[in-house]
Formats: sequence, C-alpha cells, structure tokens
Amino acid sequence: EADIYQTPRYLVIGTGKKITLECSQTMGHDKMYWYQQDPGMELHLIHYSYGVNSTEKGDLSSESTVSRIRTEHFPLTLESARPSHTSQYLCASSPWDIATDTQYFGPGTRLTVL
Amino acid sequence: GDSVTQMEGPVTLSEEAFLTINCTYTATGYPSLFWYVQYPGEGLQLLLKATKADDKGSNKGFEATYRKETTSFHLEKGSVQVSDSAVYFCALLTGANNLFFGTGTRLTVIP
Repeated sequence: EADIYQTPRYLVIGTGKKITLECSQTMGHDKMYWYQQDPGMELHLIHYSYGVNSTEKGDLSSESTVSRIRTEHFPLTLESARPSHTSQYLCASSPWDIATDTQYFGPGTRLTVL
Repeated sequence: GDSVTQMEGPVTLSEEAFLTINCTYTATGYPSLFWYVQYPGEGLQLLLKATKADDKGSNKGFEATYRKETTSFHLEKGSVQVSDSAVYFCALLTGANNLFFGTGTRLTVIP
C-alpha cells in the first residue's frame, strides 16, 4: 500500500484565485512528480523533482509552479487559476534507486475552475 | 523520441471473456515497461512491469511480455471479471528516469 496523499481531493474555485495542491509521501522517496490528466484520460508530466531543492519542468508546459523544501512534501501552486486549468492532478513518488523504478501515485485532486 | 502507442478504447467485454490491450513503444536503448491501472475515482496503481526483453510481468491474472523484436508489451487476461473495469495505461521509463504514459484504455466488463 502506497503512502502518498493528496489534498484536497476535489476543489472548485473561481477564476483568478491562487491555489496550492498538496502532496505528501511518507516513504522517504527522493523523486516526486506531478501529472495532469485530461478528461480523455491522457497523462502528461508537468513537474518533477529529484530531491530537496530540485525542481524540473516536465513534458507538458504548465503555468503552475512547484517547490521541494522537504523530502516528503511537493506542493503545486497556481498563482491565478483559469478555466483552462480544470483537470485532474496526480502526484507520484519513486525511490531514487533505478532498480526499483516503480512510481506510486496519490488519489489525485480534481480541480474545476469556474 | 520515446513514445508509447496504446490501443484505443473503450473496450467492453462480457465477464469471463479474453482481454487483450495492445501497446507498442518507440525508445532508444532498453526501457522498462509498465502497465498501470486506474479504478474509478482513484490514482494509478502499478499492475505489472518488465525490465528487459522476454521478461513476462504478471499480477492478478494479467500478464504482458516484453517483446523487443516487435517493440510491444500487450496486456492479456484469460477471463475478465466485473471488478477489472478500469482504465489501463501502458508506460515506458525514459532515459531520464521518468514515466511516459500511453493514452489509456477504458475497459468495462459487463456481467
């Protein structure tokens, strides 16, 4: 059972609001990821981190930002939400050891921007 | 670049039917290959994986064989159950140690 948590699970907000999606894992994993999932199910990597103070942009350009101040915590922030940000956001983590390359996913945050 | 092409869905099967979901990949080197499953309202869970050519991953009656000659990793199950209804994602581990997902295939199993 993976110990990775996301809050909130569901969020409905108005345009222009600043929001932070929380992601925490208790497995001590170095690598963490944020994916955006289309309504059509396709997953796109938007951010990842190799460890504390490391953040990288993923394959899909995103207006969101991330930070990694603690190993267990990888929050994603939207400074000014827009309807185009409506999506499902999935957080994941994995150990650094390439021999154990499985990613563990949180339950996701479904964001709706009105 | 690296990519994964997955069979389009949705797929609807009767209980106890045979399931195949096709997945092919393009990659440099020898990537690890995965199948993840997403049940309604949940995040993704690893279903099975294979890390080198000819490896067979298996779990919960599902299996997939890493075929380097056909660059494929098709998912199969001999007898599906209603509880297998979910979205299935084929994925490839890139050289940067990131997962690249296919588009997902929604499976619905009817009693």
